[in-house]
Amino acid sequence: NAGVMQNPRHLVRRRGQEARLRCSPMKGHSHVYWYRQLPEEGLKFMVYLQKENIIDESGMPKERFSAEFPKEGPSILRIQQVVRGDSAAYFCASSRTGGGLTAEAFFGQGTRLTVV
Amino acid sequence: DQQVKQNSPSLSVQEGRISILNCDYTNSMFDYFLWYKKYPAEGPTFLISISSIKDKNEDGRFTVFLNKSAKHLSLHIVPSQPGDSAVYFCAASTSTSYGKLTFGQGTILTVHP
Repeated sequence: NAGVMQNPRHLVRRRGQEARLRCSPMKGHSHVYWYRQLPEEGLKFMVYLQKENIIDESGMPKERFSAEFPKEGPSILRIQQVVRGDSAAYFCASSRTGGGLTAEAFFGQGTRLTVV
Repeated sequence: DQQVKQNSPSLSVQEGRISILNCDYTNSMFDYFLWYKKYPAEGPTFLISISSIKDKNEDGRFTVFLNKSAKHLSLHIVPSQPGDSAVYFCAASTSTSYGKLTFGQGTILTVHP
């Protein structure tokens, strides 16, 4: 049973380019969460999605960032026109449900984005 | 506004002794608390959790204590082993969305042989 799969593991983008980060949840999990970890800080919640729905995007920057979790395929976190401050580790987590005992979130290994 | 705080950036412990990691929170809506362990270049790995209806949960060498009145929780590791050396994150959530976690800043634990 594969865990949460994120790709790429490392991504280098020049300022102004677009970054696309992918996350395939664990089998049987329909809830996906994206977190960002800036250097020397803890993980910060960005967005919570279910299939084809954004449930909570309270942690997403208002501009340049978007996320989706289509009916088929992985969840995508998209950052347009990247800036140096976007350099961080981006972690995806998935859970079977959104509440109750089966809501424990399992994390992927992360994508380390470097903007040069 | 840091709703979950880990005030000790680092902790150094001798192998075989007890490691105590502390965490404070401010949001009284939190009712589910978790500890994650993280190695460099890897994602957080779930260690142990506790619901607000309990004050203690134990799993092998790991025990989490919750003091709701003080809004404080702690993770005890005994005996500590060199392989426990990692960054430990405290996290909190609410029953309406367990996967939406609020993390502390982390504590770097080093266990010396």
